[in-house]
Amino acid sequence: GAGVSQSPSNKVTEKGKDVELRCDPISGHTALYWYRQRLGQGLEFLIYFQGNSAPDKSGLPSDRFSAERTGESVSTLTIQRTQQEDSAVYLCASSLALIGFNSPLHFGNGTRLTVT
Amino acid sequence: DAKTTQPNSMESNEEEPVHLPCNHSTISGTDYIHWYRQLPSQGPEYVIHGLTSNVNNRMASLAIAEDRKSSTLILHRATLRDAAVYYCILRDVSGGSNYKLTFGKGTLLTVNP
Repeated sequence: GAGVSQSPSNKVTEKGKDVELRCDPISGHTALYWYRQRLGQGLEFLIYFQGNSAPDKSGLPSDRFSAERTGESVSTLTIQRTQQEDSAVYLCASSLALIGFNSPLHFGNGTRLTVT
Repeated sequence: DAKTTQPNSMESNEEEPVHLPCNHSTISGTDYIHWYRQLPSQGPEYVIHGLTSNVNNRMASLAIAEDRKSSTLILHRATLRDAAVYYCILRDVSGGSNYKLTFGKGTLLTVNP
């Protein structure tokens, strides 16, 4: 079946512009995550959505970052007034949120953001 | 999340077995051991997970020490496609904010033809 889809796959933007990144999770997956991966580094947690619960925004690095999710479908990550340090690959993942939290995360291939 | 320690890099030859170690000396009773891998230019993919007993699936085997303070991911016959960064992660299923996996730097596996 279809996996997690992210768009665009690559985005080049000028410093100061706003960008919007999109994630289409696997159908039926109630949990959705956003991570950031800087070049040569590990993954940094950004935000988590689970059904209609309040999202866990504890990983968002500044108030320039925000994310939305409508129900159990598409999510968008918005970065306002982009800075060069925002350059990274932004990864989205979804999972079934079963009791015990052992459901694997399924990742998309990410959006590579370059801020010039 | 409890901390894990992995070698920065390992090298293997094609068609040979690979044993990727992970130390987790502060593991708690409700921590599951998860492995993910990340191929070049792709998002991470789930490999395997376990609690106490050894586990096998189509991708790999997971050997867990009796005291659970370490584990080993075993690729029985490495292929060039197995070249990736392998992440060992502890996931506490007792509640709280354990839904977010914490990725360290992992082990970069190089497979030589």
